[in-house]
Amino acid sequence: SQQGEEDPQALSIQEGENATMNCSYKTSINNLQWYRQNSGRGLVHLILIRSNEREKHSGRLRVTLDTSKKSSSLLITASRAADTASYFCATGQTSGSRLTFGEGTQLTVNP
Amino acid sequence: ETGVTQTPRHLVMGMTNKKSLKCEQHLGHNAMYWYKQSAKKPLELMFVYNFKEQTENNSVPSRFSPECPNSSHLFLHLHTLQPEDSALYLCASSQFLQGNTEAFFGQGTRLTVV
Repeated sequence: SQQGEEDPQALSIQEGENATMNCSYKTSINNLQWYRQNSGRGLVHLILIRSNEREKHSGRLRVTLDTSKKSSSLLITASRAADTASYFCATGQTSGSRLTFGEGTQLTVNP
Repeated sequence: ETGVTQTPRHLVMGMTNKKSLKCEQHLGHNAMYWYKQSAKKPLELMFVYNFKEQTENNSVPSRFSPECPNSSHLFLHLHTLQPEDSALYLCASSQFLQGNTEAFFGQGTRLTVV
């Protein structure tokens, strides 16, 4: 199975609500990253959290990392229709050569 | 706009054709990557280049042939592809090898093999 697995696979919410996506992984990591992808386009980096960090904020985004549970969550507050996209977590291993992506969460924010 | 440019954006090719995908970055990054994204599958890393040298080939069939003439340009040469090779091909770059830093992705080339 994949190193990064997102949960849920799909999430549909109303504008203004908060959206929470989770990511679990299996091996030790150097860092965990979240990316966003609009349909058929490239991925855009959102936030990177290192293994010695527990929480990070960027605008309406909040990421947490629990290395003991090998899990991370991405919270988008006060969602907007423009947040509709697929969100991927990716883990960087300590060897440093690659990122391993999960299958993503498809977020739909209804106006 | 991430600073990574891929051309063409869309490509339809027959199984006997030869075509090339191009990726360009002027971010001063040292590492470049090719990924394949198929429907309902995670991104698959294909090739990694670091300082123009290939450091990783993730068991990619030989009908895909990468070329990295310099740190700013990356090509993916395609020949005798199969319909199952139809996918979104994404190029990415990063300052250092990807496991330690954020990656910047191009918009991708949507490839259809007929």
